[in-house]
Amino acid sequence: DTEVTQTPKHLVMGMTNKKSLKCEQHMGHRAMYWYKQKAKKPPELMFVYSYEKLSINESVPSRFSPECPNSSLLNLHLHALQPEDSALYLCASSQVVVRGTKNIQYFGAGTRLSVL
Amino acid sequence: GQQVMQIPQYQHVQEGEDFTTYCNSSTTLSNIQWYKQRPGGHPVFLIQLVKSGEVKKQKRLTFQFGEAKKNSSLHITATQTTDVGTYFCAGLYNFNKFYFGSGTKLNVKP
Repeated sequence: DTEVTQTPKHLVMGMTNKKSLKCEQHMGHRAMYWYKQKAKKPPELMFVYSYEKLSINESVPSRFSPECPNSSLLNLHLHALQPEDSALYLCASSQVVVRGTKNIQYFGAGTRLSVL
Repeated sequence: GQQVMQIPQYQHVQEGEDFTTYCNSSTTLSNIQWYKQRPGGHPVFLIQLVKSGEVKKQKRLTFQFGEAKKNSSLHITATQTTDVGTYFCAGLYNFNKFYFGSGTKLNVKP
């Protein structure tokens, strides 16, 4: 099973709403990632979790709050978003990145978020 | 943050023609990966290159990693309509951060 499952597939929210994006994998991967992808642009790294601990935060605004409850789950909590935050949010997982390992990233299908 | 430059931005080819996309980093990469994203889809892993000067082939696709581990290329021989999509390189820096190139969108006319 090389599947990364993201829910919901689509989300429309107002600027005052609180919502959460969910990501799940059962490949035994201990590194999980959140990316943001705007139309016709490459994925931009937001957060990296390694062994359930936040290891990288790419200066993401605090209205995005990641959480890794266990090794299979990754959440992204959203609060007071802006219209410019509308994008495709991609989750990925891989083996923990160390020298020489094949740290292939497996991506989920993404959540397409619209902020009104 | 780090930047991975990728060219060209778009490429339109006739089916059967060859296609090449190039990535360049200003600093040395730990490794480089290539992904393909179909329209409306998500990135799908193609290959990882780790060693300086490495060349790998997958059927009609040839991937190269430069000697200085700062640049890479993907070459497709005799394109087919199934090759349509956006090809991204993703450079790994310091073994903990992936940065994607801007992507090359390939369109293949039958």
